[in-house]
Amino acid sequence: AQKVTQAQTEISVVEKEDVTLDCVYETRDTTYYLFWYKQPPSGELVFLIRRNSFDEQNEISGRYSWNFQKSTSSFNFTITASQVVDSAVYFCALSEAREIQGAQKLVFGQGTRLTINP
Amino acid sequence: NAGVTQTPKFQVLKTGQSMTLQCAQDMNHEYMSWYRQDPGMGLRLIHYSVGAGITDQGEVPNGYNVSRSTTEDFPLRLLSAAPSQTSVYFCASTRQGFVNEQFFGPGTRLTVL
Repeated sequence: AQKVTQAQTEISVVEKEDVTLDCVYETRDTTYYLFWYKQPPSGELVFLIRRNSFDEQNEISGRYSWNFQKSTSSFNFTITASQVVDSAVYFCALSEAREIQGAQKLVFGQGTRLTINP
Repeated sequence: NAGVTQTPKFQVLKTGQSMTLQCAQDMNHEYMSWYRQDPGMGLRLIHYSVGAGITDQGEVPNGYNVSRSTTEDFPLRLLSAAPSQTSVYFCASTRQGFVNEQFFGPGTRLTVL
């Protein structure tokens, strides 16, 4: 069975600090996709990144970066020089790539609540 | 494009009442799904649909029904609401093909008394 674990329930840092959100996953599939979503206080879910299991290159997008390591089944997310607007709940999610009748079922982690203090 | 829309935004029900949460998308996405979000548990899949006329159960389907008569709409029905169904409900859609980014609606906050 697939599983995603975000062991950090809450993180609080001061603005401009770097912060890393951990994500560990379990799957028996050799082909799968990993996602990060952001949920700001307004409640909507905002897509951040999708990564497939064959692409282990780290990705950087502005102050955001992602470190994917298949050897440790981790897909960690780092925010550099954090800002108050980064305060949100962040979810890591996993989807199998086998399309059983086209299903794209996401398995989410529990989420990490990140608070950036001014 | 309005994207994925959900109505209502908030709802309070009494135990035993029934209601339908509405979800619509205007992106011509074949795949639609419903999730519930509970504190400390992330989002869990309730039901999903790969196209009009085709639905299937997710991780937590008990107490919920769905149907998909059109590509655009995917309503979620609570037949007899229970306090355990108090949650925030999200509808999502995406195109078929590869595993893609899913677009989420704004959510419906449901309280069952």
